[in-house]
Amino acid sequence: EIVLTQSPGTLSLSPGERATLSCRASQSVSSSYLAWYQQKPGQAPRLLIYGASSRATGIPDRFSGSGSGTDFTLTISRLEPEDFAVYYCQQYGSSRDTFGQGTKLEIK
Amino acid sequence: EVQLVQSGAEVKKPGESLRISCKGSGYSFTSYWISWVRQMPGKGLEWMGRIDPSDSYTNYSPSFQGHVTISADKSISTAYLQWSSLKASDTAMYYCARRSWNYVVDYWGQGTLVTVSS
Repeated sequence: EIVLTQSPGTLSLSPGERATLSCRASQSVSSSYLAWYQQKPGQAPRLLIYGASSRATGIPDRFSGSGSGTDFTLTISRLEPEDFAVYYCQQYGSSRDTFGQGTKLEIK
Repeated sequence: EVQLVQSGAEVKKPGESLRISCKGSGYSFTSYWISWVRQMPGKGLEWMGRIDPSDSYTNYSPSFQGHVTISADKSISTAYLQWSSLKASDTAMYYCARRSWNYVVDYWGQGTLVTVSS
């Protein structure tokens, strides 16, 4: 089973700043089958990025994903108030998906 | 419009059985796998397993194998997650989600809150 480790656990930033979230896999993620989700309190997760770098439908271009192999990054170029939430990475390239433990993005 | 509509919240006692459901609409139900995801109170997302509704083939996370059963009835476009004997530690929100053509989970149900308490 592929273990995903996200860092940092909590990120405190101000609106307008740039956010960089990391996701590291215990082994190479097949064909960059790595996704990022955003979850707000009381809501289901929302798909942001798939295939490591492709934005899902309707996702603003301030969200971008990069990486391959075992190291992946989600970048939010200029934080909007609605971006403060918990972010999860997920690998879906093996017979069993796994999620990272999440990064909480909070307002500084 | 793709929708996954889950059954309502449940309150159960330890040792009781339970089956929750997830009904898909707005797409060909048998063409996309359905995954189940657990979220314990205040915690992160945990992938439990998935099912191919066309033939009911399943994959389970080792953490959940043998503790839950995932099934589907393609005639009514519905997937299920069931327990034969609930524990207090099964208290959580459970989400179903659709695995798209490129394997990523793209649509989520609204979640079913399961509370197990004596």
